[in-house]
Amino acid sequence: GAVVSQHPSRVICKSGTSVKIECRYLDFQATTMFWYRQFPKQSLMLMATSNEGSKATYEQGVEKDKFLINHASLTLSTLTVTSAHPEDSSFYICSAPHYGYTFGSGTRLTVV
Amino acid sequence: AQKITQTQPGMFVQEKEAVTLDCTYDTSDPSYGLFWYKQPSSGEMIFLIYQGSYDQQNATEGRYSLNFQKARKSANLVISASQLGDSAMYFCASPPTSYGKLTFGQGTILTVHP
Repeated sequence: GAVVSQHPSRVICKSGTSVKIECRYLDFQATTMFWYRQFPKQSLMLMATSNEGSKATYEQGVEKDKFLINHASLTLSTLTVTSAHPEDSSFYICSAPHYGYTFGSGTRLTVV
Repeated sequence: AQKITQTQPGMFVQEKEAVTLDCTYDTSDPSYGLFWYKQPSSGEMIFLIYQGSYDQQNATEGRYSLNFQKARKSANLVISASQLGDSAMYFCASPPTSYGKLTFGQGTILTVHP
């Protein structure tokens, strides 16, 4: 089956710094990647959809300048949380519409 | 389906018993699909089962089965012979279009007691 490798799995960063989260498709190519955010014991909320070779589509209420999404190739999509603050602490997970939907393993971001 | 509703924030079940997790959906499209995922404390999303709106029979995958009732717009997950490892959060989800973004229900936290 398809595999999406997501890194890092956990990251702790200082307030004001930026963090990059990568999702790589290991055995398939995808022009689309969905990025979700999840707070403890809550549902997954779609943040944005990355599209290879074009701008990402952001959901209403998601700050484009804060959550930078790049889909530079058919095998890599990245989410950069810029100028992170404690309220950005959350679980971030990517998903590609392939073999149904293939999810990365998620990234737990803690901003201190 | 445009909206997915899971009304059970938490469920408890005794080991080896069956449990049903509820999911209702709201859509006007004649063609849609419904997914169920398991999310253990590690956070990974584990695909369990899929039901297409045109499927004639309820989907089954090992101990997982779907009680799919189109008229009621419900797609309840049935887990038979619960195991301690089934303790996790469970999500019902559906895309508004084929391979579109998934919309998730609120989730149900299942706890299996020994």
